[in-house]
Amino acid sequence: QQQVKQSPQSLIVQKGGISIINCAYENTAFDYFPWYQQFPGKGPALLIAIRPDVSEKKEGRFTISFNKSAKQFSLHIMDSQPGDSATYFCAAKQGSSNTGKLIFGQGTTLQVKP
Amino acid sequence: GAGVSQSPRYKVAKRGQDVALRCDPISGHVSLFWYQQALGQGPEFLTYFQNEAQLDKSGLPSDRFFAERPEGSVSTLKIQRTQQEDSAVYLCASSLSVSRDTEAFFGQGTRLTVV
Repeated sequence: QQQVKQSPQSLIVQKGGISIINCAYENTAFDYFPWYQQFPGKGPALLIAIRPDVSEKKEGRFTISFNKSAKQFSLHIMDSQPGDSATYFCAAKQGSSNTGKLIFGQGTTLQVKP
Repeated sequence: GAGVSQSPRYKVAKRGQDVALRCDPISGHVSLFWYQQALGQGPEFLTYFQNEAQLDKSGLPSDRFFAERPEGSVSTLKIQRTQQEDSAVYLCASSLSVSRDTEAFFGQGTRLTVV
C-alpha cells in the first residue's frame, strides 16, 4: 500500500536552476512532513520539514510548499548546485501514533549538471 | 558517539545463514527504529522501540526477523535462515522522543547481500 507517492523518479537540472520534487499522500491523519537527503553509502539526513498548518516553509535554498486540500507537498531547491546531487525522499508521520514511524516516498534521484 | 552507529557496514550471507545486525543509537535517545531499504526504493519501516519496549513490529516481513533492545540502548536485528529477498540496506534511526516534530537521525546502514 503506497501511502506516499513521489515524482519524478529522476531529475536532471542545470547548475543554478530550480529542482522541483512532488509528493502526494492519502492518510489525512499524517501531520508532519519531512524531506530527507541521502548520498550514496550514507543514511538519510533531515533536510527540512513542515506541519500541515502552514502552506510554505523556507530554509535557505530549500522550500516546502504544502497543499492540504489536495494532499500534496513539494520540495523546491533554488539555485541548484552540483553538491545537491543526491536522492531525495519525502516522508510523512502520524504524530498521534505511539511509534512516530515515517512513511517514505520512493525517492527522486537528482543530478545537477555543472 | 556523535551519531547513530551501525555494524557491520557490509554483510554477505549464504542463503539459509543467520545474521545479526547491530545499532548503537545516539546516547539518551528513547526511540529507536529499524527500516529496510531495497535498492532504488525508499526506506520501509520494520520495527520500533521505546526504551527497551518493542511497541510496534508491524513491519517485520516474516517470523524470521527478530529485533531486541534489552537495556534500552543498543539494538540488534536478527534475521534467521536468510533468503535472497532479504538483500537490502538495513537502516537504524534514533530520536529523542516520539513526539511529532522530533528529528530522527539515521545511521549509515548495513548492506546485506544474500547469495
